[in-house]
Amino acid sequence: GAGVSQSPSNKVTEKGKDVELRCDPISGHTALYWYRQSLGQGLEFLIYFQGNSAPDKSGLPSDRFSAERTGGSVSTLTIQRTQQEDSAVYLCASSLSSAGNQETQYFGPGTRLLVL
Amino acid sequence: AQKVTQAQTEISVVEKEDVTLDCVYETRDTTYYLFWYKQPPSGELVFLIRRNSFDEQNEISGRYSWNFQKSTSSFNFTITASQVVDSAVYFCALRSGSTLGRLYFGRGTQLTVWP
Repeated sequence: GAGVSQSPSNKVTEKGKDVELRCDPISGHTALYWYRQSLGQGLEFLIYFQGNSAPDKSGLPSDRFSAERTGGSVSTLTIQRTQQEDSAVYLCASSLSSAGNQETQYFGPGTRLLVL
Repeated sequence: AQKVTQAQTEISVVEKEDVTLDCVYETRDTTYYLFWYKQPPSGELVFLIRRNSFDEQNEISGRYSWNFQKSTSSFNFTITASQVVDSAVYFCALRSGSTLGRLYFGRGTQLTVWP
């Protein structure tokens, strides 16, 4: 597609369940980023990938959060044993690369996660 | 440390008024990049502009203009003759040269344009 796509658009889950969020970047973009947006915390960086490796995953809030990227394309963000404080909009972005002059990030529509 | 401050939480104007959104940033890096994004009610973050630290030239694009001043660490955004469709949350963001990848966002300014 022309832009970054994310699925599902909305996810409601029960506390303690695992969830998987998917991101499909713009074709040809080698860098991929995950952010989280919540009312209390604003926009927070989680992790970024250059190709299949993650040079910076310092934003992941706990070891319940993990992410992977395969084939230099699709990425999956997994949250294990979800908690109510995980409720937020999870945004994915991609850029041509992470090099300075090519790293304008373009965002997807987000996945709205609600943990009951 | 990298930090972006958008002191204005909410701004309301009437259509056709000009409005300026403020952004102040902090970084010790000499190379950095500044961005503005728009988030309409639909929720998707839309890229508006990017500025490199070594290019202080201001820019005008239609009704939008940006004023980058390194001396005051500010990157302000002005909308001329505002329209109802400009209503959105606007985010300023910083990407420093020493921290690959991540953007540091301000808390955003909610702009409401009334007809």
